[in-house]
Amino acid sequence: DAMVIQNPRYQVTQFGKPVTLSCSQTLNHNVMYWYQQKSSQAPKLLFHYYDKDFNNEADTPDNFQSRRPNTSFCFLDIRSPGLGDAAMYLCATSIAGPTLNTGELFFGEGSRLTVL
Amino acid sequence: ILNVEQSPQSLHVQEGDSTNFTCSFPSSNFYALHWYRWETAKSPEALFVMTLNGDEKKKGRISATLNTKEGYSYLYIKGSQPEDSATYLCASPNSGYALNFGKGTSLLVTP
Repeated sequence: DAMVIQNPRYQVTQFGKPVTLSCSQTLNHNVMYWYQQKSSQAPKLLFHYYDKDFNNEADTPDNFQSRRPNTSFCFLDIRSPGLGDAAMYLCATSIAGPTLNTGELFFGEGSRLTVL
Repeated sequence: ILNVEQSPQSLHVQEGDSTNFTCSFPSSNFYALHWYRWETAKSPEALFVMTLNGDEKKKGRISATLNTKEGYSYLYIKGSQPEDSATYLCASPNSGYALNFGKGTSLLVTP
């Protein structure tokens, strides 16, 4: 049974039309992550939540926002998608201590975003 | 930022061949090294998380070694099967929670 579920699996949007991607987990993990992977590139961390604490990577564009209303759910909002935002978006979870994470990540199947 | 490099970028082997890939990372401020397997249309799955220099881990026909002093890890697959076809990602955390990934090695095993 899937433990990290992402919806939708495929999303097509128009240039500038807001998009929300969702992630839910049944693992009760305290850390949730959003990664962006463009074709032939390494997955890049956009931000993560440690419990309710939001941590934005320094180079994540302001166009990307996130919400974590409870332990189980996390959302990625792209306010005005551009052509360069077309990518696979991966949600992941882990159990982590307060300062460092060496535990494995559990991933969803990803949401592939196409921007027309 | 920790730069993680993987080679080769892609690999095509015949069923039954053994193969290996390399992951290199800066050896200073090392915390852990992760290996993930990502099959098409599925979620990436953890193979190994390694933390100690000299670690060797094994899962079935797949094994991995770690050298933190020189900053590399090898992933070995013995007797490759078509179901081993996937992208293999390695990653290492920085001082916090960001797991920095390499671009992956794409393996194709043909019968």
